[in-house]
Amino acid sequence: DTAVSQTPKYLVTQMGNDKSIKCEQNLGHDTMYWYKQDSKKFLKIMFSYNNKELIINETVPNRFSPKSPDKAHLNLHINSLELGDSAVYFCASSQGIGFLTGLTYGYTFGSGTRLTVV
Amino acid sequence: TQLLEQSPQFLSIQEGENLTVYCNSSSVFSSLQWYRQEPGEGPVLLVTVVTGGEVKKLKRLTFQFGDARKDSSLHITAAQPGDTGLYLCAGDDAGNNRKLIWGLGTSLAVNP
Repeated sequence: DTAVSQTPKYLVTQMGNDKSIKCEQNLGHDTMYWYKQDSKKFLKIMFSYNNKELIINETVPNRFSPKSPDKAHLNLHINSLELGDSAVYFCASSQGIGFLTGLTYGYTFGSGTRLTVV
Repeated sequence: TQLLEQSPQFLSIQEGENLTVYCNSSSVFSSLQWYRQEPGEGPVLLVTVVTGGEVKKLKRLTFQFGDARKDSSLHITAAQPGDTGLYLCAGDDAGNNRKLIWGLGTSLAVNP
């Protein structure tokens, strides 16, 4: 199936731990994103990568570090997890070159990773 | 953080009823997208509207972009339980570093 897939689906961890979320898309899209959805369902963009190059880096604690080994993968590593990091994290992609493509063509989202920090 | 205002926040209706949900802002948008998000899943793009006054139809769903491109509506005819989900609108605010501005969504429950 063509899709954006992310793992794991659920992640429960203790404060202070380091964890990673992986994302892969087989749609041939050039631009990938990480979004955070809080308990009120508000979606906030965190990062955007265009063909392995970081193009959007919102005001996100530097404990969050994205890594893109190739244009089909965008992983998210989180250091020293805090209670406030609990949320659902979505990976997404859009076709074309540049972050503006998401504005024109829309985004394809993964099914999310529910992170719970205890 | 700028938001799109969506109303109503929650809506519970019976199968077969019609409904309209709204997405409003004081800003002008170059384009606006509608998504549906089901529990445990990511948002799925339904439509993008670009031109003021534009109307797009997707089966029983009718999307309209306001003439001034500040607002949009989604009308569902004869709602079905499969329409249940969170409906999100997101606008391209050309003056805000070209980012999507998201609403908080309308949570729709269609009861059989």
